[in-house]
Amino acid sequence: AQRVTQPEKLLSVFKGAPVELKCNYSYSGSPELFWYVQYSRQRLQLLLRHISRESIKGFTADLNKGETSFHLKKPFAQEEDSAMYYCALKVPSGGYNKLIFGAGTRLAVHP
Amino acid sequence: ETGVTQSPTHLIKTRGQQVTLRCSSQSGHNTVSWYQQALGQGPQFIFQYYREEENGRGNFPPRFSGLQFPNYSSELNVNALELDDSALYLCAGSGGANYGYTFGSGTRLTVV
Repeated sequence: AQRVTQPEKLLSVFKGAPVELKCNYSYSGSPELFWYVQYSRQRLQLLLRHISRESIKGFTADLNKGETSFHLKKPFAQEEDSAMYYCALKVPSGGYNKLIFGAGTRLAVHP
Repeated sequence: ETGVTQSPTHLIKTRGQQVTLRCSSQSGHNTVSWYQQALGQGPQFIFQYYREEENGRGNFPPRFSGLQFPNYSSELNVNALELDDSALYLCAGSGGANYGYTFGSGTRLTVV
């Protein structure tokens, strides 16, 4: 079964603390994974994709196929990082692609 | 730069009624996908349209249907509304398999 699991509904940290948002996936093929972010009253937007291997707003995510994980990390959290974060798996199926999302983790960064 | 616009932003309907949600995507978005996001959950794939034809569907009944038009706009129609259809409905445009998805702000549907 294709599935994305984000075990934490809420992650609460203080400004300057390290952050790790967990994401595990279940997929038999070669995964293509994304992190999407939704700031308050804004639309869902792409934060980063694993194939780009880039750092966006200080966030990085490494695909670990052995552990089937794609955790999102940032060494020093900022208050403006407070948002909903969704991990998503892109699944090709019969000529089309769909995204399978996790349930999301709310990150709250306190001053 | 928004890319994808959805209307209306909010909607209240009665159980059993029909509803049409609209999405306007930017030029070049030849693929449009619709997602349902229930409260406290991540978005769930409903279906996808490519060049005005449905080419993929998630685990949703036939009373969920759609249309895509040549001007990159699309519709999501839901017949015989049920209380569980209450959710945020998201439209996402894409220029192709190797491109990312641009999401709209969504339509919040409440069925009473």
